[in-house]
Amino acid sequence: GENVEQHPSTLSVQEGDSAVIKCTYSDSASNYFPWYKQELGKRPQLIIDIRSNVGEKKDQRIAVTLNKTAKHFSLHITETQPEDSAVYFCAASSRNQFYFGTGTSLTVIP
Amino acid sequence: ETGVTQTPRHLVMGMTNKKSLKCEQHLGHNAMYWYKQSAKKPLELMFVYNFKEQTENNSVPSRFSPECPNSSHLFLHLHTLQPEDSALYLCASSQDFVGGGASFSDTQYFGPGTRLTVL
Repeated sequence: GENVEQHPSTLSVQEGDSAVIKCTYSDSASNYFPWYKQELGKRPQLIIDIRSNVGEKKDQRIAVTLNKTAKHFSLHITETQPEDSAVYFCAASSRNQFYFGTGTSLTVIP
Repeated sequence: ETGVTQTPRHLVMGMTNKKSLKCEQHLGHNAMYWYKQSAKKPLELMFVYNFKEQTENNSVPSRFSPECPNSSHLFLHLHTLQPEDSALYLCASSQDFVGGGASFSDTQYFGPGTRLTVL
């Protein structure tokens, strides 16, 4: 089955700086890669996703890049704000199953 | 958000009790999922139903029993649980596409979760 690894597990940045979270996957059949943000006590919420036929996608301050050859994908948050503080999960979807990374706890310091 | 709802939101039960968690999705999706989320652990997939058929049972103990009577409802029946089963149980749904020898899932939407405490 698929194995998704996520790094780092914790990340602290100053407000206004960029944050990068990286994930790797093992199954070359994975074709859909969503990123979720989970605030304390709340459900995971999709923030951006990318399919295997695309190398990069951007939505305002958030971007995701995918390298199918190396089997890794990354989340980039620019101009971070305190409200970006949360746990971020990457996931890879293979054969109609979702496999999640272990999460990154992001803290944006005002 | 009301796309995926779960009840109850909080549940405290003893090890000898029997209870059920309910999930309902109003998005017209054809796939539903149960996840377990423990402190400092990734989301652990428990069960998957595609087109009302169970397609995944991720080595879950038999004290957890899923039921999917239709594509909009998903239940998780609990009996003789252990304290280590205390966790947040999340339901999710998505629209799966199969065709042309390929299959892929669209975005998963999560419910608010049930916070379960087993005494």
